This record gives sequence, C-alpha cells and structure tokens, in this order.
Amino acid sequence: EPEVTQTPSHQVTQMGQEVILRCVPISNHLYFYWYRQILGQKVEFLVSFYNNEISEKSEIFDDQFSVERPDGSNFTLKIRSTKLEDSAMYFCASKSGGETQYFGPGTRLLVL
Amino acid sequence: DAKTTQPTSMDCAEGRAANLPCNHSTISGNEYVYWYRQIHSQGPQYIIHGLKNNETNEMASLIITEDRKSSTLILPHATLRDTAVYYCIVRWETSGSRLTFGEGTQLTVNP
Repeated sequence: EPEVTQTPSHQVTQMGQEVILRCVPISNHLYFYWYRQILGQKVEFLVSFYNNEISEKSEIFDDQFSVERPDGSNFTLKIRSTKLEDSAMYFCASKSGGETQYFGPGTRLLVL
Repeated sequence: DAKTTQPTSMDCAEGRAANLPCNHSTISGNEYVYWYRQIHSQGPQYIIHGLKNNETNEMASLIITEDRKSSTLILPHATLRDTAVYYCIVRWETSGSRLTFGEGTQLTVNP
C-alpha cells in the first residue's frame, strides 16, 4: 500500500541553523500539507500546497518557514533560522482529489 | 469547521467493542465527520468518514445520529494495538482544506 515517507526521522540542530525536512508524498497525490505537534500538545496545521503554490497557511507559518516541491516527488519544509520553540514532530500529509489526507511517520526536530 | 467534544479518556477490554462518542451539535449540512487516530506520536492515521449515513470499513464503523449532532466510532473487537488517541474532526468537503485536530480521546485497551 502506498504511503507517505519522511526523512530524516530525527534531526538535532543548533538554534539559528537552517533545517530542511523532506517528504515524499503518495504518488499521484495533488495536495500536500505540513503539520507539527509540540510534545504533549495538539497536532497543528502549518501549510497546504497545491499546483505549485501555497493554498493556505496558518499563523504559525511565518517568514522563517518555506515550502517547496523541487521535483516531481519531494515536498520540503525549510526553517530558515530555527528557534528553541520549533522543537516538535513535523508531519507531512498528502491527498488526491478526494478528501482523505494520509500522513507520514513524522520527523522529530530538536533545537538546542 | 464545527466544534467537536470528545471524552478525554476511555478504557476498553481487549476483544470487546470500543465505542467512542463525539458531539458536534453545531455541524452544518455540508460538513463531514472524520475520524483519525494517533498511536504514540506516530503520524495520524485515517480511520473513516461519513456525512449522513452509517459507514463501515475494515477498521471500524461510524454511526451518525439522524440529526447529525453526534456520532460514535465503533472498533468491533479492540486489540492492544488500538490503544491510541482518537480524533473526531468535522470539516467542509472542500479540496485542500486543513484538518483541525482537537484533544481527542485517549483509548486504552486493557488485556
């Protein structure tokens, strides 16, 4: 069964460094998402991406964040200058024209 | 999206049916009820969704009341691996729209 994959599974970085989280959505899916979950808190929406542009973003998704689909398969989330409060699990999701979003296993980001 | 209310936690014996309630009294006619679950910090996993009629798939059944103000997710024969946080989400069926997760119900299946 096709699934969303994410790399790396864990990432440790120093505050102020740039990180890129990578996702390979399910093939033929058209809509792509990033969510995050700070330890012990709810899953929060960050951004959705369709037709090579951002279709919706939350207030969390400020200028420090960017997304890109550099080729036909990868979908990336870049955090330009990480802060301690960016430490969280980051989940990528994708969907086809239907309404069910399928999530990847997540990347655990720890900012020191 | 309509607000949902779920119990914070529930317990269930292994092999028994787990019935997880969700209240969504402000749901509007075009909003669907979705259920996802999250097993210990893994990515949320889609379970089932419905609009008006009851739905069943290989994982679960979804019972929606006639007035659509509440629903119940049924896991017919719960196993230890069903221990997870279960999220009831109400949303418009519009392409691309976000999922808004609440606190969910922590279901613990006991041996």
